[in-house]
Amino acid sequence: AQTVTQSQPEMSVQEAETVTLSCTYDTSESDYYLFWYKQPPSRQMILVIRQEAYKQQNATENRFSVNFQKAAKSFSLKISDSQLGDAAMYFCAGKYIFGTGTRLKVLA
Amino acid sequence: EAQVTQNPRYLITVTGKKLTVTCSQNMNHEYMSWYRQDPGLGLRQIYYSMNVEVTDKGDVPEGYKVSRKEKRNFPLILESPSPNQTSLYFCASSRRGVTDTQYFGPGTRLTVL
Repeated sequence: AQTVTQSQPEMSVQEAETVTLSCTYDTSESDYYLFWYKQPPSRQMILVIRQEAYKQQNATENRFSVNFQKAAKSFSLKISDSQLGDAAMYFCAGKYIFGTGTRLKVLA
Repeated sequence: EAQVTQNPRYLITVTGKKLTVTCSQNMNHEYMSWYRQDPGLGLRQIYYSMNVEVTDKGDVPEGYKVSRKEKRNFPLILESPSPNQTSLYFCASSRRGVTDTQYFGPGTRLTVL
């Protein structure tokens, strides 16, 4: 079984600054995938980034990158050069388990 | 355009009145799934399907039914809805399973009075 924990219900960041959202997980599997999804006010769920556990390199998608610490079971999301459109709920997810989400506010 | 569609998007109903929320994907995905989203609880999986005629329970299946007669469709059925099923529901699909990226529908806001 997998568990996913997001301990930050809400975060704020100034426009153009960098913010890191935290996620910890637990799993008994040796090969697994982790995801970050974004849910804007429209409620649509959008994939932000995906990490395969067997890959050493941290995944990166433009301004979004992860810090995947396998031994610590940590999977944080870093958003660089934050934009107003980044404001949303962000969910860390494992196989079919989602965290409770972090609401990100971007301040102009 | 590759997408997952759900209907209806909004539904208000009364306790005990059977309802179906439809879900359809046009990506020829094998895996489909239903989630409900409640404040403070994130998304919880209700049912999933690995392929046609193959369905299985997720974390919170009580009070729900599903069927997968065709690859593209995965309806969620509430035989006798109750107020505790008031929630935001998402259908999702992926190519083969949960290790693949899931594509989500736009969500269905259900209120059971």
